[in-house]
Amino acid sequence: GQQVQQSPASLVLQEGENAELQCNFSSTATRLQWFYQHPGGRLVSLFYNPSGTKHTGRLTSTTVTNERRGSLHISSSQTTDSGTYFCAIDPYQGGRALIFGTGTTVSVSP
Amino acid sequence: DPKIIQKPKYLVAVTGSEKILICEQYLGHNAMYWYRQSAKKPLEFMFSYSYQKLMDNQTASSRFQPQSSKKNHLDLQITALKPDDSATYFCASSQGNSGNTLYFGEGSRLIVV
Repeated sequence: GQQVQQSPASLVLQEGENAELQCNFSSTATRLQWFYQHPGGRLVSLFYNPSGTKHTGRLTSTTVTNERRGSLHISSSQTTDSGTYFCAIDPYQGGRALIFGTGTTVSVSP
Repeated sequence: DPKIIQKPKYLVAVTGSEKILICEQYLGHNAMYWYRQSAKKPLEFMFSYSYQKLMDNQTASSRFQPQSSKKNHLDLQITALKPDDSATYFCASSQGNSGNTLYFGEGSRLIVV
């Protein structure tokens, strides 16, 4: 079946450091999305990025579909960035059954 | 102000019992979903509905039955509960079901004892 691998599994940062989270997937038809899960559990969509590069604030999502990989770059990390970041693919291209990776847990200390 | 309301937020149930998880969305979306997050597992897709019709079902067990009484409602009935059903169940919605951004509720955490 379709697989989504994320690395690293966890990351510890000092405030102000940059980080890059990786997502590798087994299908070329992906419609890659990134989500952030607050420590309390709430899930928020960060990016819907089928290909190319998108920016929002200090976050940059890059998807290279033909290489079956994506990345999420966090610049100048802040303590409020702590949480778990998930990438997900939509191999059916219908937005119906996203397949999530196992997540990268980020902890940013002051 | 949450636009996707899930009830209850926390629930403890006895093995063998039946529970219903409620989800209402006020985003005007026509597609709704259920996902499950168990300890040490990725989020798993369960169901998707579009215009109150089942579009996709990845759940192995018939003990899980979604119910859509209105376009903006998608409840999840779980019967004959087992301890392995313990998880956080997330409701989500999107405008259409063709690759649009998914919005999640805050989840219903179910513990089966």
